[in-house]
Amino acid sequence: GNSVTQMEGPVTLSEEAFLTINCTYTATGYPSLFWYVQYPGEGLQLLLKATKADDKGSNKGFEATYRKETTSFHLEKGSVQVSDSAVYFCALTLTGGGNKLTFGTGTQLKVEL
Amino acid sequence: GAVVSQHPSRVICKSGTSVKIECRSLDFQATTMFWYRQFPKKSLMLMATSNEGSKATYEQGVEKDKFLINHASLTLSTLTVTSAHPEDSSFYICSARLPDAKNIQYFGAGTRLSVL
Repeated sequence: GNSVTQMEGPVTLSEEAFLTINCTYTATGYPSLFWYVQYPGEGLQLLLKATKADDKGSNKGFEATYRKETTSFHLEKGSVQVSDSAVYFCALTLTGGGNKLTFGTGTQLKVEL
Repeated sequence: GAVVSQHPSRVICKSGTSVKIECRSLDFQATTMFWYRQFPKKSLMLMATSNEGSKATYEQGVEKDKFLINHASLTLSTLTVTSAHPEDSSFYICSARLPDAKNIQYFGAGTRLSVL
């Protein structure tokens, strides 16, 4: 079956530090990959996506590259801010899979001054 | 961006009662909505796909008589937890898909259900 594995949190960083949240996946076909972010008290929001191998998704300073050879989609940001504190979910969906999303467990990020 | 409203945000009920959760797409029509359940430190688990005007499609292991889903209009889907028990306590999240954005779902803020 399909699955997504994320690093466990919480991840605590100082402001302006470099962020990496690891995500690996297993899938029966060729998935599209996503990162969603959930700020406190809000719903999940799409942060970025990539639909094929070697694609790089980017948004708000965050980046993730679809690596087929390592089945990974690690999230990175060069300089985090306190406002980036949230829970980050890696997810995949398969073409023709009814748009069903398979999520990782989520990684909580805490950024401190 | 597209907004999905979920209500209530938190509900506490007695064992044996039924609870209804609403999911509304506020500024777009959603032919398809999804219902998820999230346990502490666990993934969001898809429970069912809700299609306007037809029966919901439930994932394996989800009791359709326990979790009733009604997608009565293009902007509203409801999840009713019938005869709730403490093990039904969880965080329930809905999402809606734009008709022309097949891979993108917009999520509600979730409902925390506590069954006493």
